[in-house]
Amino acid sequence: AQKITQTQPGMFVQEKEAVTLDCTYDTSDQSYGLFWYKQPSSGEMIFLIYQGSYDEQNATEGRYSLNFQKARKSANLVISASQLGDSAMYFCAMREGQNFGNEKLTFGTGTRLTIIP
Amino acid sequence: DAGITQSPRYKITETGRQVTLMCHQTWSHSYMFWYRQDLGHGLRLIYYSAAADITDKGEVPDGYVVSRSKTENFPLTLESATRSQTSVYFCASSEGTGVENTEAFFGQGTRLTVV
Repeated sequence: AQKITQTQPGMFVQEKEAVTLDCTYDTSDQSYGLFWYKQPSSGEMIFLIYQGSYDEQNATEGRYSLNFQKARKSANLVISASQLGDSAMYFCAMREGQNFGNEKLTFGTGTRLTIIP
Repeated sequence: DAGITQSPRYKITETGRQVTLMCHQTWSHSYMFWYRQDLGHGLRLIYYSAAADITDKGEVPDGYVVSRSKTENFPLTLESATRSQTSVYFCASSEGTGVENTEAFFGQGTRLTVV
């Protein structure tokens, strides 16, 4: 079974609009962490935002926020007021593993976001 | 320079040859990871390591070998390269602290082509 599912292979959004990128996850651990990374066309992986499984509030970092719904096992990324520079591939990832030595960081298949001027 | 570096950045090799991709980090992070990135598959975990001399398989380990004799280095070896191993390979490192916010830092990637 997929650990991380991103169901939107590609999205087109008008500049300045908000956009939500979907991510659902599967784990039996009580302690885990969820991440979003951005990969522009240049190829580097850029960390955007993190949500811990025990965090009661949704994480926010500037224009990025993470809509964390624990019971539904979803961790959607919301980008407010999108900009042309937001055009990139976006990956959701989960770190799980309760004991030292077995912590794994698993990624989804990604969503390619294109911002239209 | 501080950070995580991969070498080479680009490599073309022939089927059946052994090739080693290097990864070096300067933070003394305990965890290191190797991923391959292919269209439609995202980043798939090949191997990971929790510390020197501790390694474990990820999702797609077949055909790959890793070692970690020193904390800062985590080389990935393709024992006998196949065309299906043509991919972009990423190395990453992080501290392993469970739910705490410790992001993984990525190298620039190695584009490997097997002909």
